[in-house]
Amino acid sequence: NAGVTQTPKFQVLKTGQSMTLQCAQDMNHEYMSWYRQDPGMGLRLIHYSVGAGITDQGEVPNGYNVSRSTTEDFPLRLLSAAPSQTSVYFCASSYAAEAFFGQGTRLTVV
Amino acid sequence: DAKTTQPPSMDCAEGRAANLPCNHSTISGNEYVYWYRQIHSQGPQYIIHGLKNNETNEMASLIITEDRKSSTLILPHATLRDTAVYYCIVRVPSKGGSEKLVFGKGTKLTVNP
Repeated sequence: NAGVTQTPKFQVLKTGQSMTLQCAQDMNHEYMSWYRQDPGMGLRLIHYSVGAGITDQGEVPNGYNVSRSTTEDFPLRLLSAAPSQTSVYFCASSYAAEAFFGQGTRLTVV
Repeated sequence: DAKTTQPPSMDCAEGRAANLPCNHSTISGNEYVYWYRQIHSQGPQYIIHGLKNNETNEMASLIITEDRKSSTLILPHATLRDTAVYYCIVRVPSKGGSEKLVFGKGTKLTVNP
């Protein structure tokens, strides 16, 4: 089992560019989430999904889109990158009490 | 979800027990206490959770007070690899997963040789 796999690990974008952060899990979990973590802060929820075709907003959804066409994949799209979106992004999948996190994508927007 | 309060930092000697406190005085009857940790900017890692009884697994023990207003995570024999930020989270469990975790700033535990 690979668990939760995030790609890419690092990315630099110019302001206004768009991109998709990929997240895949091989544990057949229904529940998946995206978080961002800024320096010295805890993680904040961006979007989440409780199953294929079902997504909802978290605490900080503005500037991000998600879709969930399969159980395995939960991509996060940045529509028009802004410097305020410079952060580390974590994807998680969960079953019952335990959430499994990927290793993160470190994004810098210049 | 109930708010939690944790000390910003703690130190512990290697081989000794690390006791990490968490206050959650507004916890409601159906909310569980969860603990996660994050080692050096890696993705958070689940440790343990409980409702009102003390819990133990291979990683740690969780002691919840009788009134459930506070809890303590115990790492019985801390090692240098336990140096991490520890998050205490209180929430009502979802039907099938933990999709909406609310992370505070946690406690930075430093285990010293």
